[in-house]
Amino acid sequence: EVQLLESGGGLVQPGGSLRLSCAASGFTFRYYAMSWVRQAPGKGLEWVSVMSGSGGQTYYVDSVKGRFTISRDNSKNTLYLQMNSLRAEDTAVYYCAKDREWLAEIDYWGQGTLVTVSS
Amino acid sequence: DIQMTQSPSSLSASVGDRVTITCRASQGIRNDLGWYQQKPGKAPKRLIYAASSLQSGVPSRFSGSGSGTEFTLTINSLQPEDFATYYCLQHNSYPRTFGQGTKVEIK
Repeated sequence: EVQLLESGGGLVQPGGSLRLSCAASGFTFRYYAMSWVRQAPGKGLEWVSVMSGSGGQTYYVDSVKGRFTISRDNSKNTLYLQMNSLRAEDTAVYYCAKDREWLAEIDYWGQGTLVTVSS
Repeated sequence: DIQMTQSPSSLSASVGDRVTITCRASQGIRNDLGWYQQKPGKAPKRLIYAASSLQSGVPSRFSGSGSGTEFTLTINSLQPEDFATYYCLQHNSYPRTFGQGTKVEIK
């Protein structure tokens, strides 16, 4: 059974940093691209970033480019999202997600972790 | 970037009704589209992939159709557990983009 468990969310001041983690199990982690998707309170889903299984390819939505960095440790079956220069508009539940394959749809989701950016 | 326009943004329906939700892409995306269901406080769940393939375990009252720029999710005979918000997601190119969502409410 595929399981994705996010951690690292919390309250941070504007301009601050936070690192999210996603522990994966139930599949061969290194074979699959992994994504982050976020959802601001009461709003729709927004795709944030993706990293290929090898870690060699990454993409970001424009609004986080230069501030967020996706990474992974295949030896630990863990995905990360380093978030710097946080803004109020980054407040959201952040979901870790497994892609069916590179440039394919998301097939599994974690339960999410809440990031609140506020002074 | 590819824009996904989803309609309607909300609808009210009764148990047993047939419901149709549409997503239009700003450019052709072949059949690179999925549909997801989200209930309050929960993670999304995949219903349909490749525009029309039903995810294993999803009831057959859900169906998807379309290719290119216009796609449809249909729910036949709406059940109480189907009241939720539905999203389309294009994965033809990065950045991926979601539709704005359709909230299906009880009439």
